[in-house]
Amino acid sequence: NAGVTQTPKFQVLKTGQSMTLQCAQDMNHNSMYWYRQDPGMGLRLIYYSASEGTTDKGEVPNGYNVSRLNKREFSLRLESAAPSQTSVYFCASRERGRYEQYFGPGTRLTVT
Amino acid sequence: ILNVEQSPQSLHVQEGDSTNFTCSFPSSNFYALHWYRWETAKSPEALFVMTLNGDEKKKGRISATLNTKEGYSYLYIKGSQPEDSATYLCAFTPGANNLFFGTGTRLTVIP
Repeated sequence: NAGVTQTPKFQVLKTGQSMTLQCAQDMNHNSMYWYRQDPGMGLRLIYYSASEGTTDKGEVPNGYNVSRLNKREFSLRLESAAPSQTSVYFCASRERGRYEQYFGPGTRLTVT
Repeated sequence: ILNVEQSPQSLHVQEGDSTNFTCSFPSSNFYALHWYRWETAKSPEALFVMTLNGDEKKKGRISATLNTKEGYSYLYIKGSQPEDSATYLCAFTPGANNLFFGTGTRLTVIP
């Protein structure tokens, strides 16, 4: 039982490049989330998917797109990376009817 | 954007000391208050989720209380141990999905 997994662990992009961050969970959770963590700030919600087939914006969605590919997988895409998107990205999932979220190990992204 | 504040920002205590931290959050539109423990190089892990005013939760030497009317929660650690060293995050949520995190309290327990 791996929990929440994220790939890649590290990535360096040039400004304007695109990439997709992958997240998968094997706990049969309905809801999945993408956060970013920046120095001096709390985790901020980018997008979430309350259930398979739905996605909604969080606090800081600009510059990102998401896809809930199936119940297990929730990807985050940067179409044209900017230095302001340098951050650590965390994926999380939650079981229906429960409150706590389970976090993945994070992806450290640097945009130069 | 909802303001969630945690204090202190960091804290050093001696092994065996008891300590507590504060989380302040908006007192309106309350749904739940989460506490997470985040060790260096790991992922945040849920400690407690509280939903009712006056809630108290306990796990071993760690406990938490909740006051939704005045918008604060306390996390207590009794008899701190070096393995308690971590960043403790609180998160306020006005609904099931939108968590608003504080910046955390970084605890270092000195052996």
